Amino acid sequence: NAGVTQTPKFQVLKTGQSMTLQCAQDMNHEYMSWYRQDPGMGLRLIHYSVGAGITDQGEVPNGYNVSRSTTEDFPLRLLSAAPSQTSVYFCASRPPGTAGARSPLHFGNGTRLTVT
Amino acid sequence: KNQVEQSPQSLIILEGKNCTLQCNYTVSPFSNLRWYKQDTGRGPVSLTIMTFSENTKSNGRYTATLDADTKQSSLHITASQLSDSASYICVVSEGNAGNMLTFGGGTRLMVKP
Repeated sequence: NAGVTQTPKFQVLKTGQSMTLQCAQDMNHEYMSWYRQDPGMGLRLIHYSVGAGITDQGEVPNGYNVSRSTTEDFPLRLLSAAPSQTSVYFCASRPPGTAGARSPLHFGNGTRLTVT
Repeated sequence: KNQVEQSPQSLIILEGKNCTLQCNYTVSPFSNLRWYKQDTGRGPVSLTIMTFSENTKSNGRYTATLDADTKQSSLHITASQLSDSASYICVVSEGNAGNMLTFGGGTRLMVKP
């Protein structure tokens, strides 16, 4: 099983550029989410989705857009990259509902983004 | 604001030694607490989950404890191995459905030969 796959693994952007971080899962999980991880800080939720066509904001959504057209894919778009968005980005998924909330998050291996 | 504080921030131990990592939380209402292990360059992987009624749970050389009264959890690693070198993250779920997660900042453990 591939689990959660994130691409690319590394990316360097110039300020103002846009890009899309890809996330795909093959576990038929309805819940998917994006986090950023910065040194000395806990993982912070950017956006999440409880199913195709449904997305919502997390703790730090500004500067990012998401869409969920299929159960498998949950891309994260940076509209106009800023140095403050330099971070490691993780996509995670889990089963839906109350039972899913007691299930572990399955994480991808991250995308390390540097904005210069 | 819900918070999860982990200590120490970093720890170095010799291979074969034991260690204990701490997690204090203020999340309420409490649903469950989960410990994740994050190897360098990888995503976190769940080690164990603690619910309100559980005081202790083991997963191989890892033993987690939970004191819901004092809102504290610990992760004890016995007979450490080089492969235990990683960050350990405490995550507390809030609410009746446990959908809201609060992440600790992690403890970075280095096991030296």
